[in-house]
Amino acid sequence: GIQVEQSPPDLILQEGANSTLRCNFSDSVNNLQWFHQNPWGQLINLFYIPSGTKQNGRLSATTVATERYSLLYISSSQTTDSGVYFCAVAGGNYGQNFVFGPGTRLSVLP
Amino acid sequence: SQTIHQWPATLVQPVGSPLSLECTVEGTSNPNLYWYRQAAGRGLQLLFYSVGIGQISSEVPQNLSASRPQDRQFILSSKKLLLSDSGFYLCAWRETRSGPYPLSEQYFGPGTRLTVT
Repeated sequence: GIQVEQSPPDLILQEGANSTLRCNFSDSVNNLQWFHQNPWGQLINLFYIPSGTKQNGRLSATTVATERYSLLYISSSQTTDSGVYFCAVAGGNYGQNFVFGPGTRLSVLP
Repeated sequence: SQTIHQWPATLVQPVGSPLSLECTVEGTSNPNLYWYRQAAGRGLQLLFYSVGIGQISSEVPQNLSASRPQDRQFILSSKKLLLSDSGFYLCAWRETRSGPYPLSEQYFGPGTRLTVT
């Protein structure tokens, strides 16, 4: 099946710093989502971004489908940004069910 | 607007006991429904999905089963729990639509934290 890799696996930042999270996938897809799992376990939709660039406040995402990667940018990080960020992909040759990456664990220190 | 509910929020069950977790979605019709499990500190594993009433597809063979008795209700069950069934169980839904992308983005419920003792 399709392989999804995320980097870095862990990231520790000081409040106010910027960061870039990366998602690589092994085959063409037509669906891609970024999620934030907060410390209570809730999975929150950040972006639905099969291609192109989107921005929402301090967060933005870019997907280059032809090169099989997506980037999530977090600017001016806050302690509430802490948690695990998951990338999920679907479509292409592997059906419409999302395949999740292993996640990036982000800790933002005050 | 659409909302998704799961209950119970937490559950502690002894090994060998039965299990029933429920998920309901409001504000949409004929959604695709999904059950995921997340072990502690790990990623999400798709267990079951359903494209309609009575239609269940299993992704991973195990002692769990799923049922969809109504359009917006999805139930995860087990006759006898194992220690390895402990984890965080998440229900999710996606809306079907026409066009080049037949399924919308996916939305998750709040989850059920199951501890098997």
